[in-house]
Amino acid sequence: GESVGLHLPTLSVQEGDNSIINCAYSNSASDYFIWYKQESGKGPQFIIDIRSNMDKRQGQRVTVLLNKTVKHLSLQIAATQPGDSAVYFCAESNQAGTALIFGKGTTLSVSS
Amino acid sequence: DAGVIQSPRHEVTEMGQEVTLRCKPISGHDYLFWYRQTMMRGLELLIYFNNNVPIDDSGMPEDRFSAKMPNASFSTLKIQPSEPRDSAVYFCASSLQGLNADTQYFGPGTRLTVL
Repeated sequence: GESVGLHLPTLSVQEGDNSIINCAYSNSASDYFIWYKQESGKGPQFIIDIRSNMDKRQGQRVTVLLNKTVKHLSLQIAATQPGDSAVYFCAESNQAGTALIFGKGTTLSVSS
Repeated sequence: DAGVIQSPRHEVTEMGQEVTLRCKPISGHDYLFWYRQTMMRGLELLIYFNNNVPIDDSGMPEDRFSAKMPNASFSTLKIQPSEPRDSAVYFCASSLQGLNADTQYFGPGTRLTVL
């Protein structure tokens, strides 16, 4: 989930498990959402996006679910691998639709 | 394509000095964004450009920060004078058509340390 303090939430899983990372967004008018992955020392990298007219979208090993009623977004990673270890951010488009607002992120730690 | 290029990758300077960060967006991308990332505040948008024109600079923390985009392939973020609280990782990103139609591609970042 989203961090409210100095420490990012951490999710620790075993290799091969499915991971679910959650995010609460703030603006009910947001209509575009993106999940990013950020590895140590690198910039954020696009994973998957979804528009508000959809509830679910699938990519390769990843699925994003959008619940507009409770303003909740989740990222599911199937068969998590050590290379998935990173910080994951959700982002929502602002009301102008031209800039992203990022959450603080969740650290995913995958052990072999 | 080489992706978004940022320089320098690391910058250490003393309080009061001027700092200039540089970015080369992906060729053909019309939007360029500058972000700052800290543990306290996460990733924050500072300013973005469309076709070299600054569109929204409401995220720029104060007058010490300025950004320019003299042409489609180059942008700078300048801090003058720098302060220790400016220490952060600064990311540049570019996108083809803005956010609702495309996604942003981030550079590797510049880690700034102000002593």
